[in-house]
Amino acid sequence: QSVLTQPPSASGTPGQRVTISCSGGTSNIGRNIVNWYQQLPGTAPKFVVDTIDQRPSGVPDRFSASKSATSASLAISGLQSEDEGEYYCATWDDNLSGPVFGGGTKLTVL
Amino acid sequence: QITLKESGPTLVKPTQTLTLTCTFSEFSLSTPGVGVGWIRQPPGKALEWLALIYWDDDKRYSPSLKTRLSITKDTSKNQVVLTMTTMYPVDTATYYCARLFPRVFDVWGQGTMVTVSS
Repeated sequence: QSVLTQPPSASGTPGQRVTISCSGGTSNIGRNIVNWYQQLPGTAPKFVVDTIDQRPSGVPDRFSASKSATSASLAISGLQSEDEGEYYCATWDDNLSGPVFGGGTKLTVL
Repeated sequence: QITLKESGPTLVKPTQTLTLTCTFSEFSLSTPGVGVGWIRQPPGKALEWLALIYWDDDKRYSPSLKTRLSITKDTSKNQVVLTMTTMYPVDTATYYCARLFPRVFDVWGQGTMVTVSS
């Protein structure tokens, strides 16, 4: 049972916009930037975007993130087949004094 | 280009101690704000943060595993070592190290699979 709650699955067709939610509390999402990681099958996680719109070079701006109170979301527009994989939200928890992860959302491109 | 690589045993017996080494390049663990963390992922399951160490030797541990974990750094060798005592089969997982800067794991290693079995 993860500190942050994500839906187990999400799906969309190529070209669609999909969103993935992440719910937490006042000690974590409520006070801190939320990061999103993409894990493609058989690979290590990779940072893709955070809620102050920081994105590593090479990550397209089709990936965006937002936050409101104790919830955050990842949006992927212009969905592509290569976006299929697992997505994790993560943030700092002030009570635990360390990072916390969500349970992951498996994104399927139909 | 920043890289990190995990190394250590692929198989440990129950009750043994696991020692993993993260060797990194193109950044320094003496730079203010920089840290290195360990995260694991059991097969088919979610990511779980284990421990992290900062440039100033500040150390943080997952509360649920704190009594079993120890993290140290050797800045001259660009290495971070994680020790986990009393391994159980449920500790079977892929173990990743990643750079933390400032509060995002921005670069990850490829991971190393550790199986706990007799």
